[in-house]
Amino acid sequence: QQQVKQSPQSLIVQKGGISIINCAYENTAFDYFPWYQQFPGKGPALLIAIRPDVSEKKEGRFTISFNKSAKQFSLHIMDSQPGDSATYFCAASRASGTYKYIFGTGTRLKVLA
Amino acid sequence: ETGVTQTPRHLVMGMTNKKSLKCEQHLGHNAMYWYKQSAKKPLELMFVYNFKEQTENNSVPSRFSPECPNSSHLFLHLHTLQPEDSALYLCASSQEWTGDPTQYFGPGTRLLVL
Repeated sequence: QQQVKQSPQSLIVQKGGISIINCAYENTAFDYFPWYQQFPGKGPALLIAIRPDVSEKKEGRFTISFNKSAKQFSLHIMDSQPGDSATYFCAASRASGTYKYIFGTGTRLKVLA
Repeated sequence: ETGVTQTPRHLVMGMTNKKSLKCEQHLGHNAMYWYKQSAKKPLELMFVYNFKEQTENNSVPSRFSPECPNSSHLFLHLHTLQPEDSALYLCASSQEWTGDPTQYFGPGTRLLVL
């Protein structure tokens, strides 16, 4: 009930291509779904987040697609750049009270120049 | 200093040592968290402090002892650790009860237990 399953574990994309990372959750009480980006030697940083009242959110080249009935959400990185090479984590949480994130296992993205 | 800072950045300790990790947040937040990050595993929430009070302990072994003297500082005291405790320990903070669940992470302390 508390797991967030993330795939793929690693991803290699050509520069200019689209990177897609998928996550699935089980607990229907979750109502906040952030994506974090982590570079080597750094802590995770919030990239983009979505709440279940919308099916898509776009910020620049980054888009979250959300499917409430399937309990799935995904991150799309358009026009992927070498600077996007990092590890990406999805998470799920309640958006009220104490924010206890349940994280996915992470996806290591490498964008080839 | 801005954001969330952690010291030391790297730590090597023997199984009989006692050491402490320090976290400081400069964001005016009221909640702080300790996470453990191991390779190929999800970030594991260890402890949550809300207004200096511990509100969550995720079945963490007693060899890890947190301390939150005020809402800006968080410590993790370590003693008699095991090699499997080697990991990146991340501190985070957030502002509870505002409707913004964003957690801000520090750079972490890379711990190696010999």
